[in-house]
Amino acid sequence: EAGVVQSPRYKIIEKKQPVAFWCNPISGHNTLYWYLQNLGQGPELLIRYENEEAVDDSQLPKDRFSAERLKGVDSTLKIQPAELGDSAVYLCASSLAGGGGYEQYFGPGTRLTVT
Amino acid sequence: DAKTTQPNSMESNEEEPVHLPCNHSTISGTDYIHWYRQLPSQGPEYVIHGLTSNVNNRMASLAIAEDRKSSTLILHRATLRDAAVYYCIPMNYGGSQGNLIFGKGTKLSVKP
Repeated sequence: EAGVVQSPRYKIIEKKQPVAFWCNPISGHNTLYWYLQNLGQGPELLIRYENEEAVDDSQLPKDRFSAERLKGVDSTLKIQPAELGDSAVYLCASSLAGGGGYEQYFGPGTRLTVT
Repeated sequence: DAKTTQPNSMESNEEEPVHLPCNHSTISGTDYIHWYRQLPSQGPEYVIHGLTSNVNNRMASLAIAEDRKSSTLILHRATLRDAAVYYCIPMNYGGSQGNLIFGKGTKLSVKP
């Protein structure tokens, strides 16, 4: 069974440029998560989707970050414009459903470097 | 959200058992206990989770204290590939609160 797929794996951009990350969750998983991981720290949730609905986006900096999950499958996370402080690893995860009874499966992440 | 306390680091020898402790004294009755690990330069990997009873899977065993205020992840025979940061995370059963909140975790080193 294929795991969570993310692309690109690495991205280097100049500040003020836009950038987008793509995620394909495990087939049949209704819940999709985007996390941000800074160097030396644990991942932090940015947004959680149940099917195509964003049910928790309280930690998403909405002035520059946006996300979508059309048709409740693939998802895209966008940053526009990028800032130096956005350099981090962006992780996508999915689970059958939300809640503590379900484990989450993570993709390899996209390492973003903003220069 | 329940707070957790884990050792910053632990060391183990290859092929020996490892017991990774976690204290979660403020856990609620509807919180599952999840364990994830993260190898260098990889995304977190699900290890195991449980509610009240001890749990076993192909990767590890999870021993949950009777009062649920602590748990221990048991790796039965450590390998070099088990060197990672291990996170213990209480997670509410309810779907509306189904977010993982990662702490600092325990960095496990495995010596050959």
